[in-house]
Amino acid sequence: QLQLQESGPGLLQPSETLTLMCNVSGGSMSTTNHFWAWIRQPPGKGLEWIASTHYTGTTYYNPSLKSRVTISVAPSRNQFSLKMTSVTAADAGVYYCARGIEADKAWSYYFDVWGRGTVLTVSS
Amino acid sequence: ETVMTQSPGTLSVFPGKRVTLSCRASQSVGTNLAWYQQKPGQAPRLLIYSASTRATGIPARFSGGGSGTEFTLTITSLQSEDFAIYYCQQYDSWPPLTFGGGTKVEI
Repeated sequence: QLQLQESGPGLLQPSETLTLMCNVSGGSMSTTNHFWAWIRQPPGKGLEWIASTHYTGTTYYNPSLKSRVTISVAPSRNQFSLKMTSVTAADAGVYYCARGIEADKAWSYYFDVWGRGTVLTVSS
Repeated sequence: ETVMTQSPGTLSVFPGKRVTLSCRASQSVGTNLAWYQQKPGQAPRLLIYSASTRATGIPARFSGGGSGTEFTLTITSLQSEDFAIYYCQQYDSWPPLTFGGGTKVEI
């Protein structure tokens, strides 16, 4: 059974760079009909998709965050990661990694497996 | 960007009752819509995809409907474990993939 586990710094100061890692276990990342995503949730708020990557390295970004984020994948290590520069208090919350599964419509994805999330606090 | 709007924000329901949650898209998404359930301190869990198909292991009391811009999630005979926040997500037109703001179902 596929499992995802996030890891991250927990606490950052404003303007620092966030680096998150997602370890995938119980299955392969190198499947054509899946992609790998980061989604976040500010405290008490809803879900926001950040970015996704295919195992081939193709990437997709939320236009609202594109200038500050980079997603990368290492399928041989069953890992993918996210970097976000210049964090502010608005970036605080829970960050989830998730597997996207391709829907009937090609290149359309919903999320069928989620990690438990890692909490980010931004404070000086 | 396709904006997803969920209503109401909160539903107060008695256990055993039926409840219907609404999700509206700012433009047609066909049936490319998913529903998730999130309990406090947990990650979201996939309930429904393709607007009406239950995910593996989801009880039959959960059903989804709709197409285009109007969607519903119905839960018949609410159980104690069903009190949670429910989110819809469109995957028809992206980036970005977008979620609704959520509906909280409370006792």
